[in-house]
Amino acid sequence: GNSVTQMEGPVTLSEEAFLTINCTYTATGYPSLFWYVQYPGEGLQLLLKATKADDKGSNKGFEATYRKETTSFHLEKGSVQVSDSAVYFCALRTFSGGYNKLIFGAGTRLAVHP
Amino acid sequence: EAGVTQFPSHSVIEKGQTVTLRCDPISGHDNLYWYRRVMGKEIKFLLHFVKESKQDESGMPNNRFLAERTGGTYSTLKVQPAELEDSGVYFCASSPIAGLQETQYFGPGTRLLVL
Repeated sequence: GNSVTQMEGPVTLSEEAFLTINCTYTATGYPSLFWYVQYPGEGLQLLLKATKADDKGSNKGFEATYRKETTSFHLEKGSVQVSDSAVYFCALRTFSGGYNKLIFGAGTRLAVHP
Repeated sequence: EAGVTQFPSHSVIEKGQTVTLRCDPISGHDNLYWYRRVMGKEIKFLLHFVKESKQDESGMPNNRFLAERTGGTYSTLKVQPAELEDSGVYFCASSPIAGLQETQYFGPGTRLLVL
């Protein structure tokens, strides 16, 4: 079946450090891939997405590249800020059978310290 | 433009009681989804409405859960009777169109605690 695996947290970094959150997936067909973020006390927000192999999604300094050969969609940011502290969810969507549901990973909590 | 809203933001009930969660999607969005996150685990799909019709309810855990979307606007999710394992955060999302370019917009969630 379809699934998403992402690295366990929490991830603790100092401000301006480099961030990588690993995400790999298993899917039939050609899924679209997403990163959602949940800031404290808020709902899920779409951070970035990629709909086909080799696409790079980017937003707010975050990037992720859709790698079909390694079935991965790792999230990176060159210099994190305290305001990036949140829970990050990797997700996929496949249209197998016509369904539009998102399949999420377990989430990775990021804590950035000054 | 108002985002997806959910009510209540928090609910604490005792086992065996009934709780009804409400979701108001973004105006004009035909697609409405319910998801939940239990005990810090992954967020799981519950069901998908297109207007007032249930498109996919494969994620509904059992018949204690009943979702409705009368008139194709807001939706309610009723849990009756609630069990301890129903505790978690229930998210609602909406989108204007399905397909490759679909983006689902999420609400802030309802935190449900069953004691």
